[in-house]
Amino acid sequence: KAGVTQTPRYLIKTRGQQVTLSCSPISGHRSVSWYQQTPGQGLQFLFEYFSETQRNKGNFPGRFSGRQFSNSRSEMNVSTLELGDSALYLCASSLAGLLVNEQFFGPGTRLTVL
Amino acid sequence: GENVEQHPSTLSVQEGDSAVIKCTYSDSASNYFPWYKQELGKRPQLIIDIRSNVGEKKDQRIAVTLNKTAKHFSLHITETQPEDSAVYFCAAGSNNNDMRFGAGTRLTVKP
Repeated sequence: KAGVTQTPRYLIKTRGQQVTLSCSPISGHRSVSWYQQTPGQGLQFLFEYFSETQRNKGNFPGRFSGRQFSNSRSEMNVSTLELGDSALYLCASSLAGLLVNEQFFGPGTRLTVL
Repeated sequence: GENVEQHPSTLSVQEGDSAVIKCTYSDSASNYFPWYKQELGKRPQLIIDIRSNVGEKKDQRIAVTLNKTAKHFSLHITETQPEDSAVYFCAAGSNNNDMRFGAGTRLTVKP
């Protein structure tokens, strides 16, 4: 089975722009979670999607949003980028949810905001 | 919000020794406690997890203990090997499908 894939792997944007990141889960997995990883803040939960519905959202501003499609692929969007949004964005998929089954992480998208 | 505290932030042991990493959480609704290992430049990988109805779980050289009353859980690695060197993250998940992570412990196993 193919693992979790994320595109693009690297991205450079400037302040004020918006960005869309994509995550393709392992086949059959219906849950996709998104995380932000920075040296200063560590790993922080953004949100989880299950069957096209957002189940929970972490403590991030409304500039961070996401969605999930019927094939379980998920996208994350960040609008009005700030320098502090520079981070590694990881997604993870699981069969039925991040508390139910093991999560498998993707390789991440490294976003640099200039 | 609810936090997960992880200690120590760095840990250096000699090959063959044991390593212990401790985490505390504050959300009493937390009921799922995974541990992830992240090698340099790689993605986090689940190494062991425990649920709130269990006090201890073991998988070969790795064990996790949970004290729900005290709200703390620990990772124990015995007979450490150089390939155990990585950053280890604890996390606590609650019924509202939230997941909080500790800040990570950088473990170095010296040959």
